[in-house]
Formats: sequence, structure tokens, C-alpha cells
Amino acid sequence: DGGITQSPKYLFRKEGQNVTLSCEQNLNHDAMYWYRQDPGQGLRLIYYSQIVNDFQKGDIAEGYSVSREKKESFPLTVTSAQKNPTAFYLCASSIGGGNGDTQYFGPGTRLTVL
Amino acid sequence: GNSVTQMEGPVTLSEEAFLTINCTYTATGYPSLFWYVQYPGEGLQLLLKATKADDKGSNKGFEATYRKETTSFHLEKGSVQVSDSAVYFCALYSSASKIIFGSGTRLSIRP
Repeated sequence: DGGITQSPKYLFRKEGQNVTLSCEQNLNHDAMYWYRQDPGQGLRLIYYSQIVNDFQKGDIAEGYSVSREKKESFPLTVTSAQKNPTAFYLCASSIGGGNGDTQYFGPGTRLTVL
Repeated sequence: GNSVTQMEGPVTLSEEAFLTINCTYTATGYPSLFWYVQYPGEGLQLLLKATKADDKGSNKGFEATYRKETTSFHLEKGSVQVSDSAVYFCALYSSASKIIFGSGTRLSIRP
């Protein structure tokens, strides 16, 4: 079955620690995205990548980092510089990121900072 | 820049009621428009989309028409079910691969 997987589903972190969230897709999509969702709010774009070995900052990139070494993988690192990291993180992918291209979402990772 | 505004929730309806969730947008050009749905604890799923003016997207009894003259993409369903309870997001294509999402409307259906 094609799709997007995110792991783990729940993640706990102590303040001051970096943590990496996994996102893998087997849809052969070129574009991948990371969003943050806070309770009762919409999605805010953190980073996106249109092609392997290239990525761009979204609207709230401070305190986050990404890599795109393989087409199917787009891990997100939440660094200790992120002031309020507790949130629900969603990864998505699309064929090419053009107008009309649907973004397909993973199940999300809920990060809690203790 | 491009933006999308949708009605605030929560919206609570009885089963078999008619549903409308309003969505308006600001954009240059003709961006594609989307409705996504999110069930509790899950990621978003595409519900329907429209890629040009006057297009109607439809899926699972839901419909929305791309209205350029009123810059709207309202979501409608003639008879809602308890299983439709979820959060609904209106969205539009912005630029350079980006989609802008509305703040979401929580829908609850009473049996």
C-alpha cells in the first residue's frame, strides 16, 4: 500500500534536547512538507522540499531543521532553540507541488516537551 | 498575498440536517481550491478540490463550487451523518508548491 508514515505517534522530550521526527513516503512524490498544528488552529508550514537535496523555509522555520537526502525521506529535527515545541506535527507529500496537486498527509506525531 | 478565511466553529447539527461551511479567499490568478477533513488524532485527508472557476468538486455527498465572482468555495452536504463529525479545512494553492490552510471548522453531529 502506498502512503506516508510518520514515527513515532507520540514523543516526549525533556527541555533542552533535540529530537528528530521521521517521515517516509512510498508514493514516488517529489515534494514533501512539514506542518505544525496547535490545538484549535490551522496548519503552519515549517519547511518544504521540492526535490532531493533541496529545501526551503516555510513560515515558522526558526528552531527546526530538515534534510532531504533521499526522495522518500524528509526527517524534521526540533532543536532546543524552538521555544514552544509541544504540538502536533504533520508531514505531507505531493507529486510535484504544482497548482492543483493534492497534498497527502501522514498520521502525525504528537510531541510533548516535559 | 493569498489567504483563506473560513467560518469559525464549532458547528453542531442534528443528523440528516443540511450543512454549509463558508470559505472565502483572496488570491491573484486562479489558484486551485481544496477542502480537507481531519478526524480526531489523525492527519488530514483530501475531501474534494476544484482547479478552475465554476468547477464543482464532490465526494462522499459533499460538494463545493469554485466561485470566482464571490471568491468563495463553500462546503455543502444535504444530509449529514454522525460519521461526518470532524474538523474541516478550506485551503488554496499559494505559490512555489505551498498550500495555505484556513483555521478549520469543527463539526459535531448529534444522533
